[in-house]
Parts: sequence; C-alpha cells; structure tokens
Amino acid sequence: DIQMTQSPSSLSASVGDRVTITCRASQSIGNYLNWYQQKPGKAPNLLIYAASNLQSGLPSRFSGSGSGTEFTLTVNSLQPEDFATYFCQQSYIPPLTFGGGTKVEIK
Amino acid sequence: QMQLQESGPGLVKPSETLPLTCTVSGGSISTSSFYWGWIRQPPGKGLEWIGTTHYSGSPYYNPSLTGRVTISVDTSKNQFSLKLSSVTAADTAVYYCARSGHRDGFWNYYGMDVWGQGTTVTVSS
Repeated sequence: DIQMTQSPSSLSASVGDRVTITCRASQSIGNYLNWYQQKPGKAPNLLIYAASNLQSGLPSRFSGSGSGTEFTLTVNSLQPEDFATYFCQQSYIPPLTFGGGTKVEIK
Repeated sequence: QMQLQESGPGLVKPSETLPLTCTVSGGSISTSSFYWGWIRQPPGKGLEWIGTTHYSGSPYYNPSLTGRVTISVDTSKNQFSLKLSSVTAADTAVYYCARSGHRDGFWNYYGMDVWGQGTTVTVSS
C-alpha cells in the first residue's frame, strides 16, 4: 500500500494567515492526489483534485501543488470557516489511502 | 444536484454482518461517468477506504478487508450496498458513501466529490 504522510498533524493560525500543509507519498503517484476538508460531525468535502485543480465553486484562496511524492495545500488569508481538519488522498493505485490529517486550529 | 444517503443499523453484534445501503437521488447510478464507494472513519481517527464499484463492473476492495466485504449495485432502486461480515469492535466507525469521477482508467481521478452525511455504526453485544 502507498503510505501518505501529512505534516504537521496540527497547527494554530490566525484569521488572515497563510497556511501550508504538506503531504508525502511513499512512492511516486504522479499528480493523483486529492485534498479534502472535514469539519466536526460532517463528511469530508473535496477541495482539490489531481494535485492542483480547485473543485468547482470553492474559493480561490485554496490551492494545491506538487507531483511525484511531495504535495502541498495552501490556504491564503485563512477565514473563520477554514478551521477544520484537512486530509490528502492518493488515487494512483488501490487501495486508495489517506493521510492522517492536519487539524487547523484558531490561535 | 446529486445526493447520497446512507442507511442501516446503528448497532451490530460482534461476529454478525453489517449491512448498509446508499441511496442515490438527483441522478442515475447507471451512468458510465461515476464510480460509487464506501469509506469509514473510526471515532477520533482518520479515513479508511473500504471499496468502490461501478454499475457495470466489478468492485475493488481494500485488501485489509478482503474476504469480509461485499459491495453491490441495485440499479432498479438506484442504490449501492455494503456488507461487512464477522464484525468486531474495530469496525465501529462512521460509514460514508461517496461518488468518484474517473478519467483515463483512473476511477478516482476527480476525487470523491459527493458524499453522504455518514451513518454511525457501533459493534457491541
């Protein structure tokens, strides 16, 4: 199985900050990497697909980059509704696997 | 706008089989455009992919669950289902169904873009 490692596991930030989350794959996965946001008690919500494509209808402050084994999710100008947990997920080879998550908390 | 809704028992006894159903509304499950999957999340933990299927193809399962999991599609009811046998406390989780978009043979290329709200399943005697 491809292991997905996210860092950090948690971070504290303020409204207006720029936040960057890293996801590393245990082997090359091309650009087959998706990012999700999850709020407590809710289902995950797709943010980014294929490493850098913003899901339709979402604000442009979310962006993704990377290929191969290293990927980043950036949130520019963090908003109150962005405090949540973020997961990466590889779609290159089954079994689909997720990172352990990054919890973004209010400083 | 397509919506998914999970249903099933909230409590299952150890060693029994967990049956869950995902009802698709606002569109047809019998489309070549999408794949249909199950994901679970144990309390306070991360996400685990269980398996994915297509209305006209064979399902893919997580090898960690092979032998215990069956995913099937009922096109007449616009539903797909999960059966997980020989459950233990480790199967206690929120279970989600989700839709995936495919491209170039990669059935999750566009990610899981529509999810059900999730259903909580507890395994306990």
